[in-house]
Amino acid sequence: GNSVTQMEGPVTLSEEAFLTINCTYTATGYPSLFWYVQYPGEGLQLLLKATKADDKGSNKGFEATYRKETTSFHLEKGSVQVSDSAVYFCALHYDKVIFGPGTSLSVIP
Amino acid sequence: DSGVTQTPKHLITATGQRVTLRCSPRSGDLSVYWYQQSLDQGLQFLIHYYNGEERAKGNILERFSAQQFPDLHSELNLSSLELGDSALYFCASSVGTASSYNSPLHFGNGTRLTVT
Repeated sequence: GNSVTQMEGPVTLSEEAFLTINCTYTATGYPSLFWYVQYPGEGLQLLLKATKADDKGSNKGFEATYRKETTSFHLEKGSVQVSDSAVYFCALHYDKVIFGPGTSLSVIP
Repeated sequence: DSGVTQTPKHLITATGQRVTLRCSPRSGDLSVYWYQQSLDQGLQFLIHYYNGEERAKGNILERFSAQQFPDLHSELNLSSLELGDSALYFCASSVGTASSYNSPLHFGNGTRLTVT
């Protein structure tokens, strides 16, 4: 079946550091891939998405590229801020919506 | 504000009891999804409704049931509650079904259920 795997957290970075959160998937078809973010006390919200191979999603300085050959959708940001502290979920949309386990990010000043 | 409304925000009840969680989807969204979030299990998909019909079931216990009404709001019923049912329950909506897979999910802020 379809599944999503994310790197284990928690991740702690200093402000302005480079961020990578790895995400890989298995799917029988051609899913769309999403990153969602959950801030403390809130529900998940869409961060970015890519709907086909080689598409790059971007938003708020975050980027992720849909790599079919490596079945990956890694999230990156060049310079994180304290306000980026949250839990990040990689998700696969196909016949169902499947979320990865989430990666907690803490950014310290 | 996602436009998805969940009530109540908090619920404290005893084992063996029954509760109903309510969700109003974003205006225009026909799909409603329910998820359970706990520390040890992560975000678990429970059930998906599209325009009043059940479309997919996930790890939903037989003690749990849901429905989507003609006005598109949805209710999740949890009965014979156990301590392990304590969790955050999220509702999400989207404009299409998951098979129109470009549509993002819009989440409410959740209902925190505590079973004592």
